[in-house]
Amino acid sequence: DGGITQSPKYLFRKEGQNVTLSCEQNLNHDAMYWYRQDPGQGLRLIYYSQIVNDFQKGDIAEGYSVSREKKESFPLTVTSAQKNPTAFYLCASSYRGGNEQFFGPGTRLTVL
Amino acid sequence: GENVEQHPSTLSVQEGDSAVIKCTYSDSASNYFPWYKQELGKRPQLIIDIRSNVGEKKDQRIAVTLNKTAKHFSLHITETQPEDSAVYFCAAMEETSYDKVIFGPGTSLSVIP
Repeated sequence: DGGITQSPKYLFRKEGQNVTLSCEQNLNHDAMYWYRQDPGQGLRLIYYSQIVNDFQKGDIAEGYSVSREKKESFPLTVTSAQKNPTAFYLCASSYRGGNEQFFGPGTRLTVL
Repeated sequence: GENVEQHPSTLSVQEGDSAVIKCTYSDSASNYFPWYKQELGKRPQLIIDIRSNVGEKKDQRIAVTLNKTAKHFSLHITETQPEDSAVYFCAAMEETSYDKVIFGPGTSLSVIP
């Protein structure tokens, strides 16, 4: 379904732990994105990347980190510095230059 | 940076009526405006998009209009059906700014049979 996958589907974390969310795409897209979705707040941009080894902060990057070592992969780490990490996380990819974003199925992170 | 506002946050219409969702953006350099539909428990999917060199675009029962001067764009759904019930997100992107896409907060549309 769109060639973009996220894992795991559900993730539980204890306070103070870092956790990494996986995002992989086989669509040959250059651009990849991470969004956080909370009820009533839409999709808020965390990080985005246009090419390998380069990425930019979005509007809510604090407490998160990413890497882009391969074109197909864009993992997101939620660090212990993120004060309210419980949320639904969506990864997306697209061709550059204003094109349709394809979304993954999402990961629901719960901090216990 | 870009800021996208969206209204209304919730919208209920009778089946067969029209629905209109409005968005405003702040960055005059934005030039690509997609709309996404997210059904309950599913991922967002693109339903229509428009670029800044076009004023209106239609696809069957869905249309989008863009007013660059006023910096607002709208989604129009005609002859609504129950399967149109979903959350709709507008977005804006400045193509020259590393393809940064900013979404509005969403509109929950309910179509009453």
